[in-house]
Amino acid sequence: AQSVTQPDIHITVSEGASLELRCNYSYGATPYLFWYVQSPGQGLQLLLKYFSGDTLVQGIKGFEAEFKRSQSSFNLRKPSVHWSDAAEYFCAVGAGTSSNTGKLIFGQGTTLQVKP
Amino acid sequence: KAGVTQTPRYLIKTRGQQVTLSCSPISGHRSVSWYQQTPGQGLQFLFEYFSETQRNKGNFPGRFSGRQFSNSRSEMNVSTLELGDSALYLCASSLDGHDNEQFFGPGTRLTVL
Repeated sequence: AQSVTQPDIHITVSEGASLELRCNYSYGATPYLFWYVQSPGQGLQLLLKYFSGDTLVQGIKGFEAEFKRSQSSFNLRKPSVHWSDAAEYFCAVGAGTSSNTGKLIFGQGTTLQVKP
Repeated sequence: KAGVTQTPRYLIKTRGQQVTLSCSPISGHRSVSWYQQTPGQGLQFLFEYFSETQRNKGNFPGRFSGRQFSNSRSEMNVSTLELGDSALYLCASSLDGHDNEQFFGPGTRLTVL
């Protein structure tokens, strides 16, 4: 069965410091992978996605993520965090098969706190 | 393009009542998925609709149902509300559901008293 694990429930970083949020997935074939961000009381905003090709993908707001098949990981990174990045981040996997349409499986989320 | 819209944004109901939530997808998107978000269970897939047909379904009881109209707008209904149904209900739309790149609405916060 597909699953997504975000090992860190809560992370605190100082403003200007680098950030890496971890995501591990379980899926038999090449998955479709996503990172979403959610601010309090809001819906989810897509940061970036990986379908195929280059394993380093660039997203919005200066975020990037690297797909590592050997480690079943899709970690999110940002070189310099801004206070406005404080939010909850979700990693998700999609099946991309005709028998499993429209379904994303989400990790439990990582709450990012940014210290001034 | 306008984003995904959901109405109402907030709803308070009592146990045993039923509720209907509405979702308007991005123009041109034909797939609509629904999710329930709670602190304990996280984000869980409810169901997906495409061309007025339910194509995929998560592991929720039959009290949770939905439908999609010819203009791709979707509604979900929860009957006989329970306290545990209190959650943020998120709707997401995509072009056809196959690439699973979904765009989310702001959600409807349902509180069951």
